[in-house]
Amino acid sequence: DIVMTQAPLSVSVTPGESASISCRSSKSLLHSNGITYVYWYLQKPGKSPQLLIYRMSNLASGVPDRFSGSGSETDFTLKISRVEAEDVGIYYCGQLLENLWTFGGGTKLELK
Amino acid sequence: QVTLKESGPGILQPSQALSLTCTFSGFSLSTYGMRVSWIRQPSGKGLEWLATIDWDDDKYYNPSLKSRLTVSKDTSNNQAFLKITSMDSADTATYYCAWRRGDYWGQGVMVTVSS
Repeated sequence: DIVMTQAPLSVSVTPGESASISCRSSKSLLHSNGITYVYWYLQKPGKSPQLLIYRMSNLASGVPDRFSGSGSETDFTLKISRVEAEDVGIYYCGQLLENLWTFGGGTKLELK
Repeated sequence: QVTLKESGPGILQPSQALSLTCTFSGFSLSTYGMRVSWIRQPSGKGLEWLATIDWDDDKYYNPSLKSRLTVSKDTSNNQAFLKITSMDSADTATYYCAWRRGDYWGQGVMVTVSS
């Protein structure tokens, strides 16, 4: 199985400041087709997860451009610029390289 | 507009089998490239993928749970199903179905295993 490891476990951010969340995979997520199969999700309190970023750096429909994804073959970063109150929740990275989906443990974002 | 909604028994006893239904709209599971996945989340914990069924009836299972899982679909009624055998208290969780790579998720259904 591909293991996804997130850091930190939690982050506290002042509204208007930026935040970064890291995710590392135990295996390269770069497919031979050139696509890196890493995804980012946000689960707001009491809600279902929602897709933020697909294939490492593509913004999902309706997601503000304050969110961005980047990375290499095994190390990935979600950056949130100008954090707002609506960004509070738990962020998960996930991978879908081999049709076997795995998720990171989650990073909780709180406001200062 | 894609929507998904899970349904299930809510509570069941240890050793019983769980049967879940995902009723969806906005896409057909007989269309090329479509897929529905099942994911669960124990209260206060992270996400665990369980199974996926593709438009062409290909099926994928979490290796650690594979012997207990069966995923299926009814394309004419826009439904996907998940069966889990030998339920235990450790299987108590909210169960979600999701479209494709998690582009859309259902609201989740809480399942409690208790005697």
